[in-house]
Amino acid sequence: DAMVIQNPRYQVTQFGKPVTLSCSQTLNHNVMYWYQQKSSQAPKLLFHYYDKDFNNEADTPDNFQSRRPNTSFCFLDIRSPGLGDAAMYLCATSRDLGGGTNYGYTFGSGTRLTVV
Amino acid sequence: AQSVTQLDSQVPVFEEAPVELRCNYSSSVSVYLFWYVQYPNQGLQLLLKYLSGSTLVKGINGFEAEFNKSQTSFHLRKPSVHISDTAEYFCAVSRGSARQLTFGSGTQLTVLP
Repeated sequence: DAMVIQNPRYQVTQFGKPVTLSCSQTLNHNVMYWYQQKSSQAPKLLFHYYDKDFNNEADTPDNFQSRRPNTSFCFLDIRSPGLGDAAMYLCATSRDLGGGTNYGYTFGSGTRLTVV
Repeated sequence: AQSVTQLDSQVPVFEEAPVELRCNYSSSVSVYLFWYVQYPNQGLQLLLKYLSGSTLVKGINGFEAEFNKSQTSFHLRKPSVHISDTAEYFCAVSRGSARQLTFGSGTQLTVLP
């Protein structure tokens, strides 16, 4: 089945040590998103790629970066994780940016990041 | 700018009882509306979506929602809940030309035996 896969499911990193979270998709969707979801809160969009075009949300800290080397993969890099960055990180894809009868998002299962 | 308000943070309900989870939105443009369910330590699963057409939308697991433009609401309903419906439910709306999702704060549905 076509899907969005996030690895690993659980990641523990040390305070200040760079960490990379991975997302891959078999849907061949043009758009990939990264959301941060802290405990008992709604998911918050960090940034998205439309094809190779990167779009950062205005309030996303500089500590968060992303790479999309090809259509299938997208990475979230946290350069110096702080305790406040502990959260569930969700990757999502959509076919395109516009509307349409097939419009929608597909989410991965998430990576829960713990900072120690 | 747009926002989504989920009026109830916690909804306890007994098994086989009906449930309604409330969602109101504010937007200056046409919107697409979604309900997602999230089980513990898992990602988001789409329950249903409203893009256009009929205002009553049926989704998976017996859920349905009604789009009410005049009241700017998109409440989620199920006539008879099961223990397995216990989860967090998020209402979301699209935003701008990029159609990014803006989520509500979520409603924890707990089904009691």
